[in-house]
Amino acid sequence: GIQVEQSPPDLILQEGANSTLRCNFSDSVNNLQWFHQNPWGQLINLFYIPSGTKQNGRLSATTVATERYSLLYISSSQTTDSGVYFCAVERDDYKLSFGAGTTVTVRA
Amino acid sequence: EAGVAQSPRYKIIEKRQSVAFWCNPISGHATLYWYQQILGQGPKLLIQFQNNGVVDDSQLPKDRFSAERLKGVDSTLKIQPAKLEDSAVYLCASSWLGHEQYFGPGTRLTVT
Repeated sequence: GIQVEQSPPDLILQEGANSTLRCNFSDSVNNLQWFHQNPWGQLINLFYIPSGTKQNGRLSATTVATERYSLLYISSSQTTDSGVYFCAVERDDYKLSFGAGTTVTVRA
Repeated sequence: EAGVAQSPRYKIIEKRQSVAFWCNPISGHATLYWYQQILGQGPKLLIQFQNNGVVDDSQLPKDRFSAERLKGVDSTLKIQPAKLEDSAVYLCASSWLGHEQYFGPGTRLTVT
């Protein structure tokens, strides 16, 4: 099956700092989603981004499908940004394959 | 618009007991998924339904897990008998086929 690798595995930020999370995938995909899993375990949809760039407030994402990677940018980080960020890709079978996640800790 | 609903939120059982989880998808979503998330890992698909038919259950341990989606709306996932390694969060998601998936809050299962 398709391999999804996320880096870095852990990230510690000072409040107000910017950061970039990366997602590499091993084969072509139809769709890509970024999620934030909050401390209560809920997966929150951040972006549905098979290609191109999208922005939502302090978060933005870019997917370069031809080069098989996606980036998630967090600007001016806040303590509420803490949690695990997952990248998931979807192929022709309409199933999501998840990476192992990046654990982000934002310190006040 | 209401999100995906799941119950119970938490469940503690002893090994060899049985347990059932319930999911109500977003209204109108024909595709429903069950995922298992073990601590420290990303979610892994167990089963996918399209309306009330199974599309893919290749990753479902069928000797102990079963799932159904009657009338193409609500779904239940059952484990019988449970093993220690079944301790995980069970997530339900729904979507229009080929579109963005939305997840419920999950059921955290502890098997002792």
